[in-house]
Amino acid sequence: DAGVIQSPRHEVTEMGQEVTLRCKPISGHDYLFWYRQTMMRGLELLIYFNNNVPIDDSGMPEDRFSAKMPNASFSTLKIQPSEPRDSAVYFCASSLIFRQGSFYEQYFGPGTRLTVT
Amino acid sequence: AQKITQTQPGMFVQEKEAVTLDCTYDTSDQSYGLFWYKQPSSGEMIFLIYQGSYDEQNATEGRYSLNFQKARKSANLVISASQLGDSAMYFCAMREGLGNTPLVFGKGTRLSVIA
Repeated sequence: DAGVIQSPRHEVTEMGQEVTLRCKPISGHDYLFWYRQTMMRGLELLIYFNNNVPIDDSGMPEDRFSAKMPNASFSTLKIQPSEPRDSAVYFCASSLIFRQGSFYEQYFGPGTRLTVT
Repeated sequence: AQKITQTQPGMFVQEKEAVTLDCTYDTSDQSYGLFWYKQPSSGEMIFLIYQGSYDEQNATEGRYSLNFQKARKSANLVISASQLGDSAMYFCAMREGLGNTPLVFGKGTRLSVIA
C-alpha cells in the first residue's frame, strides 16, 4: 500500500507568490490532517477534515491560508500571498475512521519543505 | 500551559545502552492517547508506540517501551539496546477525548547515539 503522498517535496518561492501544497491520503482513510513544523513553534495543527468536510480550522494562521478536500483522495493547502514567515515543513497525515480497538494512528506524509524568500 | 512537555532538548547515549526520553502531559480528559514519533534527519515522521489512557499495561514494540505513570501524567519512552540508527528527533504527542482528534506535540528531544 502506498503511504501518504505529498507534492512537491520542496518548494522555493518569492514573497507574494501563491503556493499550493498537495496531499493524497492513504486509500480508505477518511481523516486528513495538515500540520506545520517550524523551529520556533514545533509541530502544530493547521486544519483537519473528516469525510472531506473541514472539522477544525482554528490553527490556520490567517486568511492567506486556505485548505480544501474536494474528494476522498486529494487535499490542497494554499497560501496566497506567501510570506517569508510561512517557511516551514508542511505535513499531511491521514487516519482511519473509528473501529473497535483502533487508536487512530496517524500516518504522515514525507512533508513539503517550503522556503519563501 | 503546554499540554505536552519534553524537558530534554538533547540526549546522548552509548550504543547498546538503554535510554529514557521524558514526556509529561496535561489533560483533564479521562480518555486520551499518547504517541511517540521518531523524526530522522531525512524528515519523515515515523510512528513508534501508542498508550491509551485505559491501558493497564505499558505498551511495548520491539526495542521501544512506554513507561506510563498515569498519576504522574508521564509517558516516558524507553529505547533498549540503542543503535546508531536511533539518532533522531523524538516527539511525544497526545490525542484527547474518544474521537479521532488531532495530535498535540511536544517540542521534541534530539537523541544522539554514540559508537
